[in-house]
Amino acid sequence: NAGVTQTPKFQVLKTGQSMTLQCAQDMNHEYMSWYRQDPGMGLRLIHYSVGAGITDQGEVPNGYNVSRSTTEDFPLRLLSAAPSQTSVYFCASSYSWTPMTDEQFFGPGTRLTVL
Amino acid sequence: LAKTTQPISMDSYEGQEVNITCSHNNIATNDYITWYQQFPSQGPRFIIQGYKTKVTNEVASLFIPADRKSSTLSLPRVSLSDTAVYYCLVGRRIGSSNTGKLIFGQGTTLQVKP
Repeated sequence: NAGVTQTPKFQVLKTGQSMTLQCAQDMNHEYMSWYRQDPGMGLRLIHYSVGAGITDQGEVPNGYNVSRSTTEDFPLRLLSAAPSQTSVYFCASSYSWTPMTDEQFFGPGTRLTVL
Repeated sequence: LAKTTQPISMDSYEGQEVNITCSHNNIATNDYITWYQQFPSQGPRFIIQGYKTKVTNEVASLFIPADRKSSTLSLPRVSLSDTAVYYCLVGRRIGSSNTGKLIFGQGTTLQVKP
């Protein structure tokens, strides 16, 4: 199993550009989520999904969109990038709908810089 | 909401036992306590989880007192490779559903010295 994969590993954008961060898992996990991590800070939840077709907002959803058309993929879209979105983005997944009791598997992260 | 409070940083030396305490005064009856470890430039990794008393695995032990308002992660005989950020999490539910949000705090940065 590849586990949780994220692409790209690094990305530089200009203000106003759009892009999609890709996340995929091959463990047939129901729950997937996106976090961002800023220097010296913990992870903040952006969006999460409890299954295909079902998504919801986390702590910091503004400026980001998600969709979940398949169990395996959970892309994160930045519609109009802003410098405040410069961060490291982590995708995670777990087996069931209860992340508080299920082990979360994290991807390697995408380092995004917005100029 | 069960907010967690843990020390920002800790120093230790190789071979010592390290105890990191996390406070969660508002923990709910059905909440579990989970600890994650994060190395630089990597995603967090699950270490251990517990509900009450003591849990032990091949990596660490987790001590939870009867009132569950705090928990202590114990790392036996740390090595340089244990230098990382350690997060204490308490899961919470959204309304009456079985889903939930995992909220990470700032974590504890453990520096192990030779």
